[in-house]
Amino acid sequence: DGGITQSPKYLFRKEGQNVTLSCEQNLNHDAMYWYRQDPGQGLRLIYYSQIVNDFQKGDIAEGYSVSREKKESFPLTVTSAQKNPTAFYLCASSLGGTLGEQFFGPGTRLTVL
Amino acid sequence: AQTVTQSQPEMSVQEAETVTLSCTYDTSESDYYLFWYKQPPSRQMILVIRQEAYKQQNATENRFSVNFQKAAKSFSLKISDSQLGDAAMYFCAYRTPSGGGADGLTFGKGTHLIIQP
Repeated sequence: DGGITQSPKYLFRKEGQNVTLSCEQNLNHDAMYWYRQDPGQGLRLIYYSQIVNDFQKGDIAEGYSVSREKKESFPLTVTSAQKNPTAFYLCASSLGGTLGEQFFGPGTRLTVL
Repeated sequence: AQTVTQSQPEMSVQEAETVTLSCTYDTSESDYYLFWYKQPPSRQMILVIRQEAYKQQNATENRFSVNFQKAAKSFSLKISDSQLGDAAMYFCAYRTPSGGGADGLTFGKGTHLIIQP
Protein backbone atom coordinates (compact mmCIF):
# COMPACT_ATOMS: atom_id res chain seq x y z
CA ASP A 1 0.00 0.00 0.00
CA GLY A 2 1.20 3.47 -0.83
CA GLY A 3 1.56 5.92 2.00
CA ILE A 4 3.71 7.87 4.39
CA THR A 5 5.38 6.32 7.40
CA GLN A 6 6.84 8.07 10.39
CA SER A 7 8.88 6.44 13.07
CA PRO A 8 8.88 6.11 15.93
CA LYS A 9 5.34 6.92 17.10
CA TYR A 10 6.60 8.08 20.50
CA LEU A 11 10.07 9.42 21.22
CA PHE A 12 11.65 10.49 24.48
CA ARG A 13 14.91 12.39 24.75
CA LYS A 14 16.86 14.19 27.39
CA GLU A 15 17.25 17.92 27.18
CA GLY A 16 20.30 18.96 25.17
CA GLN A 17 20.31 15.92 22.89
CA ASN A 18 19.72 16.06 19.17
CA VAL A 19 17.07 13.69 17.85
CA THR A 20 16.12 12.67 14.30
CA LEU A 21 12.56 11.90 13.23
CA SER A 22 12.07 9.64 10.24
CA CYS A 23 9.66 10.22 7.34
CA GLU A 24 9.39 7.92 4.34
CA GLN A 25 6.90 7.95 1.46
CA ASN A 26 6.32 5.53 -1.41
CA LEU A 27 3.81 7.71 -3.26
CA ASN A 28 6.45 8.98 -5.69
CA HIS A 29 5.69 12.52 -4.53
CA ASP A 30 8.14 15.29 -5.33
CA ALA A 31 7.37 17.57 -2.41
CA MET A 32 7.67 16.79 1.30
CA TYR A 33 6.94 18.84 4.40
CA TRP A 34 7.41 18.89 8.16
CA TYR A 35 4.85 20.46 10.49
CA ARG A 36 4.72 20.94 14.21
CA GLN A 37 1.49 20.78 16.24
CA ASP A 38 1.15 22.09 19.78
CA PRO A 39 -1.94 21.74 22.02
CA GLY A 40 -4.69 24.14 20.97
CA GLN A 41 -2.77 25.13 17.87
CA GLY A 42 -2.98 24.35 14.22
CA LEU A 43 -0.06 22.94 12.30
CA ARG A 44 2.92 25.17 11.64
CA LEU A 45 5.36 24.62 8.80
CA ILE A 46 8.98 23.85 9.79
CA TYR A 47 10.68 22.93 6.49
CA TYR A 48 9.69 21.80 3.04
CA SER A 49 11.43 20.28 0.05
CA GLN A 50 10.37 20.43 -3.58
CA ILE A 51 13.03 18.13 -5.01
CA VAL A 52 15.95 16.00 -3.93
CA ASN A 53 18.91 17.93 -2.49
CA ASP A 54 16.85 21.07 -2.06
CA PHE A 55 14.81 22.35 0.89
CA GLN A 56 13.42 25.62 2.21
CA LYS A 57 12.71 27.03 5.66
CA GLY A 58 9.12 27.34 6.76
CA ASP A 59 7.68 29.61 9.43
CA ILE A 60 9.41 28.04 12.45
CA ALA A 61 12.70 26.56 11.19
CA GLU A 62 14.92 27.74 14.04
CA GLY A 63 16.38 24.82 16.00
CA TYR A 64 15.58 22.28 13.28
CA SER A 65 17.48 20.83 10.32
CA VAL A 66 16.54 18.56 7.44
CA SER A 67 18.06 16.67 4.53
CA ARG A 68 16.64 15.35 1.28
CA GLU A 69 19.13 12.90 -0.17
CA LYS A 70 16.46 10.59 -1.58
CA LYS A 71 13.07 11.35 -3.08
CA GLU A 72 11.27 9.06 -0.64
CA SER A 73 12.94 10.25 2.57
CA PHE A 74 12.89 13.57 4.45
CA PRO A 75 14.30 13.21 7.98
CA LEU A 76 13.96 16.02 10.52
CA THR A 77 16.57 16.67 13.21
CA VAL A 78 15.47 18.51 16.32
CA THR A 79 18.61 20.11 17.69
CA SER A 80 19.47 21.25 21.19
CA ALA A 81 18.97 24.82 19.95
CA GLN A 82 15.21 24.26 19.75
CA LYS A 83 13.88 25.84 22.95
CA ASN A 84 10.58 24.00 23.22
CA PRO A 85 10.94 20.73 21.30
CA THR A 86 8.15 18.78 23.00
CA ALA A 87 5.37 18.58 20.40
CA PHE A 88 3.60 16.41 17.86
CA TYR A 89 5.43 16.31 14.51
CA LEU A 90 3.69 15.56 11.23
CA CYS A 91 5.27 14.80 7.89
CA ALA A 92 3.40 15.28 4.63
CA SER A 93 3.99 14.90 0.92
CA SER A 94 2.38 16.07 -2.29
CA LEU A 95 2.74 15.70 -6.03
CA GLY A 96 3.24 19.41 -6.36
CA GLY A 97 1.62 21.25 -9.18
CA THR A 98 -1.39 23.47 -8.86
CA LEU A 99 -3.59 21.22 -6.72
CA GLY A 100 -1.01 20.55 -4.06
CA GLU A 101 -3.15 18.26 -1.95
CA GLN A 102 -0.98 17.08 0.93
CA PHE A 103 -1.07 13.61 2.38
CA PHE A 104 0.01 13.19 5.98
CA GLY A 105 1.85 10.55 7.93
CA PRO A 106 0.63 9.31 11.35
CA GLY A 107 2.95 11.63 13.28
CA THR A 108 5.61 11.35 15.98
CA ARG A 109 5.07 12.55 19.53
CA LEU A 110 8.39 13.91 20.85
CA THR A 111 8.82 14.47 24.56
CA VAL A 112 11.97 16.08 25.88
CA LEU A 113 12.58 15.38 29.55
CA ALA B 1 1.50 36.74 5.30
CA GLN B 2 -1.67 34.78 5.04
CA THR B 3 -3.68 34.02 8.16
CA VAL B 4 -6.51 31.59 8.79
CA THR B 5 -8.99 32.10 11.62
CA GLN B 6 -11.39 29.57 13.07
CA SER B 7 -13.51 31.40 15.63
CA GLN B 8 -15.22 28.35 17.14
CA PRO B 9 -12.86 26.38 19.42
CA GLU B 10 -15.59 23.80 20.02
CA MET B 11 -18.93 22.87 18.50
CA SER B 12 -21.50 20.29 19.55
CA VAL B 13 -24.25 18.74 17.43
CA GLN B 14 -26.81 15.98 17.83
CA GLU B 15 -26.29 12.89 15.73
CA ALA B 16 -28.10 13.11 12.36
CA GLU B 17 -28.32 16.90 12.49
CA THR B 18 -26.42 19.50 10.48
CA VAL B 19 -23.53 21.61 11.72
CA THR B 20 -21.52 24.42 10.14
CA LEU B 21 -17.91 25.20 11.02
CA SER B 22 -16.61 28.68 10.27
CA CYS B 23 -13.32 29.76 8.73
CA THR B 24 -12.10 33.13 7.55
CA TYR B 25 -8.77 33.96 5.97
CA ASP B 26 -6.73 36.95 5.03
CA THR B 27 -4.78 37.16 1.80
CA SER B 28 -3.88 39.61 -0.93
CA GLU B 29 -3.69 36.84 -3.51
CA SER B 30 -6.43 36.29 -6.07
CA ASP B 31 -5.64 32.67 -6.80
CA TYR B 32 -5.35 30.14 -3.99
CA TYR B 33 -6.68 26.89 -2.58
CA LEU B 34 -8.62 26.17 0.57
CA PHE B 35 -8.93 22.89 2.41
CA TRP B 36 -10.71 21.32 5.35
CA TYR B 37 -8.80 18.59 7.17
CA LYS B 38 -10.14 16.29 9.84
CA GLN B 39 -7.99 15.02 12.72
CA PRO B 40 -9.66 12.25 14.74
CA PRO B 41 -8.28 11.05 18.10
CA SER B 42 -5.75 8.91 16.20
CA ARG B 43 -4.23 12.28 15.13
CA GLN B 44 -4.07 11.21 11.48
CA MET B 45 -4.79 14.21 9.26
CA ILE B 46 -7.43 13.40 6.65
CA LEU B 47 -8.44 15.67 3.78
CA VAL B 48 -12.19 16.30 3.85
CA ILE B 49 -12.75 18.74 1.02
CA ARG B 50 -10.89 21.14 -1.28
CA GLN B 51 -11.91 24.38 -3.02
CA GLU B 52 -10.09 26.24 -5.77
CA ALA B 53 -10.60 30.00 -5.46
CA TYR B 54 -11.18 30.49 -9.19
CA LYS B 55 -14.19 28.15 -9.08
CA GLN B 56 -17.46 29.82 -8.17
CA GLN B 57 -19.22 26.54 -7.52
CA ASN B 58 -19.01 25.33 -3.96
CA ALA B 59 -17.27 21.97 -3.49
CA THR B 60 -19.25 18.98 -2.23
CA GLU B 61 -18.13 15.57 -1.03
CA ASN B 62 -21.03 13.37 0.04
CA ARG B 63 -22.28 14.78 3.38
CA PHE B 64 -19.66 17.53 3.39
CA SER B 65 -20.07 20.81 1.54
CA VAL B 66 -18.55 24.26 1.72
CA ASN B 67 -19.89 27.78 1.47
CA PHE B 68 -17.10 29.72 -0.22
CA GLN B 69 -17.54 33.49 -0.18
CA LYS B 70 -14.46 34.91 -1.91
CA ALA B 71 -15.26 38.59 -1.39
CA ALA B 72 -15.86 38.02 2.31
CA LYS B 73 -12.85 35.65 2.54
CA SER B 74 -15.02 33.07 4.21
CA PHE B 75 -14.90 29.29 3.81
CA SER B 76 -17.34 27.41 6.04
CA LEU B 77 -17.82 23.65 6.19
CA LYS B 78 -21.29 22.13 6.47
CA ILE B 79 -21.66 18.57 7.68
CA SER B 80 -25.08 17.07 7.03
CA ASP B 81 -26.55 14.04 8.80
CA SER B 82 -23.78 14.10 11.41
CA GLN B 83 -22.42 10.73 12.43
CA LEU B 84 -20.48 9.62 15.50
CA GLY B 85 -17.44 9.07 13.30
CA ASP B 86 -17.41 12.75 12.40
CA ALA B 87 -16.22 13.62 15.91
CA ALA B 88 -12.76 15.13 15.49
CA MET B 89 -10.73 18.31 15.27
CA TYR B 90 -11.37 20.13 12.02
CA PHE B 91 -8.74 22.41 10.53
CA CYS B 92 -9.19 24.96 7.79
CA ALA B 93 -6.09 25.46 5.63
CA TYR B 94 -4.94 27.81 2.88
CA ARG B 95 -2.34 27.55 0.15
CA THR B 96 -1.24 29.65 -2.80
CA PRO B 97 -0.42 27.83 -6.02
CA SER B 98 3.03 29.39 -6.29
CA GLY B 99 6.20 27.35 -6.23
CA GLY B 100 4.65 24.25 -7.79
CA GLY B 101 2.56 23.61 -4.71
CA ALA B 102 5.51 23.15 -2.41
CA ASP B 103 5.23 26.15 -0.15
CA GLY B 104 3.19 24.50 2.59
CA LEU B 105 -0.22 25.01 4.09
CA THR B 106 -1.31 27.72 6.53
CA PHE B 107 -3.67 26.27 9.13
CA GLY B 108 -6.25 27.69 11.49
CA LYS B 109 -6.21 26.62 15.14
CA GLY B 110 -9.00 24.14 14.67
CA THR B 111 -12.55 23.45 15.84
CA HIS B 112 -13.26 20.50 18.10
CA LEU B 113 -16.50 18.89 16.89
CA ILE B 114 -18.48 16.81 19.39
CA ILE B 115 -21.28 14.55 18.20
CA GLN B 116 -23.99 13.89 20.79
CA PRO B 117 -25.68 10.47 20.37
